[in-house]
Amino acid sequence: QSALTQPASVSGSPGQSITISCTGTSSDVGTSNYVSWYQQHPGRAPKLMIYDVSNRPSGVSNRFSGSKSGNTASLTISGLRAEDEADYYCCSSTSSSPYVFGTGTEVTVL
Amino acid sequence: EVQLVESGGGLVQPGGSLRLSCAASGFTFGSYWMSWLRQAPGKGLEWVANIKEDGTKKYYVGSVKGRFTISRDNAKNSLYLQMNSLRAEDTAVYYCARDAFDVWGQGTMVTVSS
Repeated sequence: QSALTQPASVSGSPGQSITISCTGTSSDVGTSNYVSWYQQHPGRAPKLMIYDVSNRPSGVSNRFSGSKSGNTASLTISGLRAEDEADYYCCSSTSSSPYVFGTGTEVTVL
Repeated sequence: EVQLVESGGGLVQPGGSLRLSCAASGFTFGSYWMSWLRQAPGKGLEWVANIKEDGTKKYYVGSVKGRFTISRDNAKNSLYLQMNSLRAEDTAVYYCARDAFDVWGQGTMVTVSS
């Protein structure tokens, strides 16, 4: 099972919106209702930001939103803030293995 | 407070063994699937294994099948990962996580080196 493809880096200015893509196949993202997104600050454990494609856990800012179209899932961060600077990973259930993660995206706030 | 605390990491020689533990608190441990995940230094996240609430089903990523064994003791609110025949490429921070990864531990470092 190959890792899902994410852009290595995405940047934006404070207040702007950015979108991180997560591209898989019809064996994972394309047919999964279980796509999730994680935020990870350096030296810290990952934090769940989005689950089941577009749902936010309690306590996660509504500036974070998720969606999916075909084999590509997306995470959008609106009203970008300095504290959003972190690594972001997508994850999907698959037909051959319970879970596969994305390659990770470094978000920089300019 | 819902919490997961890993322990048992350390330095081990190639071919050696290590047993990781994860202590759960603040929730009904026996009602959740549990997973082990790992992150090699400077690399991305990788799901390693998971186990059903009652321990009757277990799944593994291909690279650890036959070498790692996940288990749990619901009476002790604990999750385990027995790692045998360790390789340099198993070097990583190992995390335990609840169900759909909504709760994570702080991680424990495993270094496989001679």
